[in-house]
Amino acid sequence: QSVLTQPPSASGTPGQRVTISCSGSRPNIGSNFVHWYQQLPGMAPKLLIYRNNQRPSGVPDRFSGSKSGTSASLAISGLRSEDEADYYCAAWDDSLIGVLFGGGTKLAVL
Amino acid sequence: QITLKESGPTLVKPTQTLTLTCTFSGFSLRTNGVGVGWIRQPPGKALEWLALIYWDDEKNYSPSLKSRLTITEDTSKNQVVLRMTNMDPVDTATYYCAHMGVGVPTGDYWGQGILVSVSS
Repeated sequence: QSVLTQPPSASGTPGQRVTISCSGSRPNIGSNFVHWYQQLPGMAPKLLIYRNNQRPSGVPDRFSGSKSGTSASLAISGLRSEDEADYYCAAWDDSLIGVLFGGGTKLAVL
Repeated sequence: QITLKESGPTLVKPTQTLTLTCTFSGFSLRTNGVGVGWIRQPPGKALEWLALIYWDDEKNYSPSLKSRLTITEDTSKNQVVLRMTNMDPVDTATYYCAHMGVGVPTGDYWGQGILVSVSS
């Protein structure tokens, strides 16, 4: 059972804006950066957002991240069919002295 | 360009020890702030962090698996090795290694992963 809680599923239609939440606690999200990953079917996870709201080179600005207190969110605007994937949040945990991943959210583009 | 690739057995028997090697290029594990970590993913399930090793040889392990894991580095070969003892069928998973950049201890560059099955 993940300590970072994500909804198991989300959905939207092409062009819509969807958000995926990630809820944690003080030792993890409350004290450290949140990072987001996109995992396409059969592929390795790819860093999508780092340090709460930074996009690596090549990631479209349709993807954005935010953090407030012990929660974080990933927003995807202008939804496209190729965005259908699993999305994971992650953060360092000062109590665990290690990394926590969320349980993942499967995004469907209807 | 940073790349990582996992190698090792794809099938191990219960109680055996798994040894996985991560061979990387495009960075040095002697660079301040850099690390290499291991993460696994059972089929159809979520990611699970296992261990990481830093440029200064500091090591961190998942508390739930700490007694079974050992992470080491061979700087001369640009390799990081993960050893997991007493393998069980529940350890069947895709194992990934990842570059941990400064401020991104969760991994900014990932290998393609290696599927390891545990079965007699």
